Amino acid sequence: AQSVAQPEDQVNVAEGNPLTVKCTYSVSGNPYLFWYVQYPNRGLQFLLKYITGDNLVKGSYGFEAEFNKSQTSFHLKKPSALVSDSALYFCAVRPRGQAGTALIFGKGTTLSVSS
Amino acid sequence: DAGVTQSPTHLIKTRGQQVTLRCSPKSGHDTVSWYQQALGQGPQFIFQYYEEEERQRGNFPDRFSGHQFPNYSSELNVNALLLGDSALYLCASSFGTGVQPQHFGDGTRLSIL
Repeated sequence: AQSVAQPEDQVNVAEGNPLTVKCTYSVSGNPYLFWYVQYPNRGLQFLLKYITGDNLVKGSYGFEAEFNKSQTSFHLKKPSALVSDSALYFCAVRPRGQAGTALIFGKGTTLSVSS
Repeated sequence: DAGVTQSPTHLIKTRGQQVTLRCSPKSGHDTVSWYQQALGQGPQFIFQYYEEEERQRGNFPDRFSGHQFPNYSSELNVNALLLGDSALYLCASSFGTGVQPQHFGDGTRLSIL
């Protein structure tokens, strides 16, 4: 079965420190990869995507993500965390070749940035 | 530019009832997807509508059905509600079948008593 794993339920970092939120996937082929963020009582906001090309993709709010094909990983990173980055982060994949554009999500990682 | 709008924001139903949730896509979008997000879980894909037809369906029973109207808005219907149907229901819209990201609404919180 196709799946996305986010191994950490919660990541805690101090403001100004770098952060990493991990994601691995088990999907055949070369899927499209996405990161979304969710604030309390809100829908999901798109951060960035990997389609092809450079393994390091840059997105909104200073976030970036590193694609590693051999490890089937797509970790979210930010060089310097802000308290306002505290939220729930979801990794998602979209298998290529399917009829539609459905996303498969991980269970989410709560990022907590302390001041 | 209005984003994805969903109504109602909250809904309380009892077991066995039926419910209809509504979604208006972001301007310029023609594809609508519905997801169920249980508490503490990631969203799970229910189905997707494009050109008024169901293009893709996830692993949900037939109690879950939908519709897309000519103006691209969409409805999600759930029959014979179960306690386990309590969740946040998210609508997402996008354009066509390309790799543009899906834009999500703020969801409808459905509680089943």
